[in-house]
Formats: sequence, C-alpha cells, structure tokens
Amino acid sequence: ELKVEQNPLFLSMQEGKNYTIYCNYSTTSDRLYWYRQDPGKSLESLFVLLSNGAVKQEGRLMASLDTKARLSTLHITAAVHDLSATYFCAVHKLIFGTGTRLQVFP
Amino acid sequence: EPEVTQTPSHQVTQMGQEVILRCVPISNHLYFYWYRQILGQKVEFLVSFYNNEISEKSEIFDDQFSVERPDGSNFTLKIRSTKLEDSAMYFCASSLGRGPYNEQFFGPGTRLTVL
Repeated sequence: ELKVEQNPLFLSMQEGKNYTIYCNYSTTSDRLYWYRQDPGKSLESLFVLLSNGAVKQEGRLMASLDTKARLSTLHITAAVHDLSATYFCAVHKLIFGTGTRLQVFP
Repeated sequence: EPEVTQTPSHQVTQMGQEVILRCVPISNHLYFYWYRQILGQKVEFLVSFYNNEISEKSEIFDDQFSVERPDGSNFTLKIRSTKLEDSAMYFCASSLGRGPYNEQFFGPGTRLTVL
C-alpha cells in the first residue's frame, strides 16, 4: 500500500522565520505535487515536481524532490501570515499526504 | 480563467437518502475525478473517469457510489443510500490528460452532511 507521510502535522511559526515541511512516500512515483488548502476551501496547486533533483520556487515557497530518498521538501522562507494554510503533498494518481497545518503568527 | 465548478456548495440529507453531487469540469478536459475529505483529514481519491467509463476507483468507491457524465458538460457523483460516515467534503477535479505534465484542477467542493 502506498503511503504518503508528512511532518510535522502542525507547524506554528513566527513571521520572518524559515522552516521546512517534509513529505515521505513509500513507493516510486513519477511525479509529486504540493497543494495548499485554506480552511473550507478547495485545493490550490503550488508545484509539480517531475524529476529527481527538481527544485521549484514561487515567492517564499521552494519545493524540491529526491526520488531516490522518496522525499520532497517544502521550504518556507521568511514566513508571512498569508502563508497560513494546510499544505498537502501528493504522489502519482494523487495519493495525498496527511497534510501540514501551518500557522504563522506575528 | 476556466475553472471547475460544483453544485450545490452544501447538501444536507437524511441517512438512507440518495444524493447527486454535480460538477462541471473545464470544457476541454478529458479526465475527471472525485475525491472526498472527511473533516480535518486528508484528501482521498474515489474514482477517475475517462471516455465515459471508470478508469480507476479506490476501495472507498463501493456499490453505493456511481458516476456519470449525462451530457457534454456535467459530471455527477451519486450516493445511493447515504450513511453518516459519508459526511465529508467532496471535490471534483479535471485534467486535460493523465501524463505527468497534466495537472488536475479542483473545484470548490460540496460539503455533504448526512443526518
């Protein structure tokens, strides 16, 4: 059974700080996605990572993929309140991770 | 910008009743999907649909569920006899293709409450 695990499950961080969310998956996948979900809202696509070593950046978020380690990271740089949301990673055929609820406080 | 739409936004039903959740995918997309998310939990895949038939389904998608594309625009999820545990947010998604470059676009969701 394909498992996708994220940690931490909950992250409370101060504005201006940096942090990394980790996504581990249990079997090979030819792609990895990161999504953002605001409370009561739908899923917004952030990144699609397609190859080993892929790195993508958008604003204060940077995602990377290590297919050999079956690990993806989502790095947050100088967090701002607007980044408060739940972040999900998902692998091929959209098996979703457990989600990381991020809360950024002043 | 084209988007996936879903109706209703919130559906309340009695246990044992049938519900139909409706989705209008992006018009030139060929693959359609349903997911559900129980409150506070992760998003779970239910079913994918292509060329008027189910291409893949999960263990959750049992005989009480069915999907249909009744016309050229709508994609529906029917739950025949709802149970309390069917209460969840149901998301529809569509994609142009299935390869790695084909992103799935999600609708806003329908919140189903079974009483």
